Amino acid sequence: KNEVEQSPQNLTAQEGEFITINCSYSVGISALHWLQQHPGGGIVSLFMLSSGKKKHGRLIATINIQEKHSSLHITASHPRDSAVYICAALYGNKLVFGAGTILRVKS
Amino acid sequence: SQTIHQWPATLVQPVGSPLSLECTVEGTSNPNLYWYRQAAGRGLQLLFYSVGIGQISSEVPQNLSASRPQDRQFILSSKKLLLSDSGFYLCAWRARLDGELFFGEGSRLTVL
Repeated sequence: KNEVEQSPQNLTAQEGEFITINCSYSVGISALHWLQQHPGGGIVSLFMLSSGKKKHGRLIATINIQEKHSSLHITASHPRDSAVYICAALYGNKLVFGAGTILRVKS
Repeated sequence: SQTIHQWPATLVQPVGSPLSLECTVEGTSNPNLYWYRQAAGRGLQLLFYSVGIGQISSEVPQNLSASRPQDRQFILSSKKLLLSDSGFYLCAWRARLDGELFFGEGSRLTVL
C-alpha cells in the first residue's frame, strides 16, 4: 500500500531550538518532497529528494533509501517557521501526502 | 514562467447543487496534474490524478469526478454536492522534466 507516515503530529519549540520532523514511506517511491503549508492554505515546495541530503538556508532534508525514511531539520528555529510541514512521496505518478506536522515556534 | 491558477477561491453551495472547480497551468507541457481535498483539521487526501489529456485516475470513490479536456486544464466536478464535500480543494502539478511541484491557491468549499 502506498503510505506516508509523519511524526510528530504537533510540535511546539522555543525560538532557537533545533527541530526534526520525520517521514516514513513504503517501498517503491521515486522521489520525496517536503512542503510547507501556511495558515491561509497555500503550499510551497521546500525540497525534492531521491537520495542523500539537501540544504537551503536553515532547512536540511535527508533521505535514507534503505530505511525508507526522511527527515526535515530546522536549525535555529524562529517564530516565522511556524507552519504545517508536509512530506509527500511519489509512487509512480501518484503523489501521496503525509498528514502533516503542525509546528509552532514560540519567541 | 511556470504558474498555476485555480478558481474559484471560495464557494458556498447548497446540498444537491453541482460543482465545478478549475485549474490551469502555464509555462509547461504535459504535466502530471492532481486534485486534493483537505477536510478541517486533516491532511491532504489525493482525489484524482492525470498523466495526460483524458487520462484520469481516481483514488477515492465518491460523488466527485475529474476531467482533463486540455493538456493544461484540470477540472473537478460534482453533479450533486453532499455536506461531506465541504473542505479545502487544492490543485497541483508536477513537472515531468525536473519533478518540481507547484500548487494552486486552493478553493474553500462550504456545502450548506
